Amino acid sequence: ETGVTQSPTHLIKTRGQQVTLRCSSQSGHNTVSWYQQALGQGPQFIFQYYREEENGRGNFPPRFSGLQFPNYSSELNVNALELDDSALYLCASTSARDRASNEQFFGPGTRLTVL
Amino acid sequence: AQSVTQLGSHVSVSEGALVLLRCNYSSSVPPYLFWYVQYPNQGLQLLLKYTSAATLVKGINGFEAEFKKSETSFHLTKPSAHMRDAAEYFCAVSSMANQAGTALIFGKGTTLSVSS
Repeated sequence: ETGVTQSPTHLIKTRGQQVTLRCSSQSGHNTVSWYQQALGQGPQFIFQYYREEENGRGNFPPRFSGLQFPNYSSELNVNALELDDSALYLCASTSARDRASNEQFFGPGTRLTVL
Repeated sequence: AQSVTQLGSHVSVSEGALVLLRCNYSSSVPPYLFWYVQYPNQGLQLLLKYTSAATLVKGINGFEAEFKKSETSFHLTKPSAHMRDAAEYFCAVSSMANQAGTALIFGKGTTLSVSS
């Protein structure tokens, strides 16, 4: 069984640019959540996708957007990058069986650095 | 709103000693509670979860946690620490995000150091 994968592993951008991060959910998992983890902090919830629609959103501005595809993979897009967007971005997937308990399986993350 | 407080940002133990990492939660509804571990430059790995089936939850790598509703706590323990347990540990509570969907609300984490 393949786990959650993310690409790229590292990324360097400059302020004002746009970035797209990708996530492939674990086999059979139909829910994908995205988190931002700043250095030395716990992960912060960005949003969740279920059946290709945004299913919940944390306290992040609209320049953070996402997509979920029919194969349940997902993208996180960030426009107008700011220095504070530098962080580890984590993708997590949940199976239909685990939706009630919200057990989430995390990928290795994408390290974004904004200069 | 739900929240998690992890007491102690850094815990140091000797190899073979008891590990105790503290987590207190705040929730207006019965919570689901989780402990995750993060090794350097890696994602989060689930250690164990509480979903109301049993108050004492056993996880991987010899870890366990006890849900105490009266104390709103979910502390993580391991009887004997190994060098490989050195990592960052996060406690999380499950929350309803906005009107639908569920988010995990994480604490700020506790760094566990194990010395020989």
